[in-house]
Amino acid sequence: AQTVTQSQPEMSVQEAETVTLSCTYDTSESDYYLFWYKQPPSRQMILVIRQEAYKQQNATENRFSVNFQKAAKSFSLKISDSQLGDAAMYFCAYRSEHDKIIFGKGTRLHILP
Amino acid sequence: KAGVTQTPRYLIKTRGQQVTLSCSPISGHRSVSWYQQTPGQGLQFLFEYFSETQRNKGNFPGRFSGRQFSNSRSEMNVSTLELGDSALYLCASSLTGGRRDEQFFGPGTRLTVL
Repeated sequence: AQTVTQSQPEMSVQEAETVTLSCTYDTSESDYYLFWYKQPPSRQMILVIRQEAYKQQNATENRFSVNFQKAAKSFSLKISDSQLGDAAMYFCAYRSEHDKIIFGKGTRLHILP
Repeated sequence: KAGVTQTPRYLIKTRGQQVTLSCSPISGHRSVSWYQQTPGQGLQFLFEYFSETQRNKGNFPGRFSGRQFSNSRSEMNVSTLELGDSALYLCASSLTGGRRDEQFFGPGTRLTVL
């Protein structure tokens, strides 16, 4: 069965600095999607960035980028120039051909002013 | 375009009761998925509906059920509530439910079982 592991339950970063959130997953499939979702306090969860497994190029969305290492089954999220609005719970997620999405336990990110 | 809405936002029930939660997807979206979020287990997939048919199901007991109507609105029902059912229940909608479709989440329904 596929699993998604986020080894950092909580992290803190100084405003304007860069932070990297880790995610590893386990699967025997070769075709899948990976996602990072953001859940701000008391607000709705939103998609931050997604990566298709067959694409070698790492996805980027403004200040958010990923480091996708398919062989190592690693999918980390880098947030550059951290802002107070980035404070949230971040979930890594995996979705296979069979369309069932699996989430990691999440990393709570604190931004220090 | 209005986002995903869930009603009610908060519910308090007692053990043994049943509850029905509602989810209205974004207009035009035909897929609705349900998730249970708890501090201990994180986010767990319950089921997905597409065009009134359950397309995927997670590992939850039969007490958890759902349905989808012709207008894509969805309901989930939990019967014989247990203390462990206390959670935030999220629904998410997408155009077709395909892997590359972005899922749009609602604000959730906070269920407390006493």
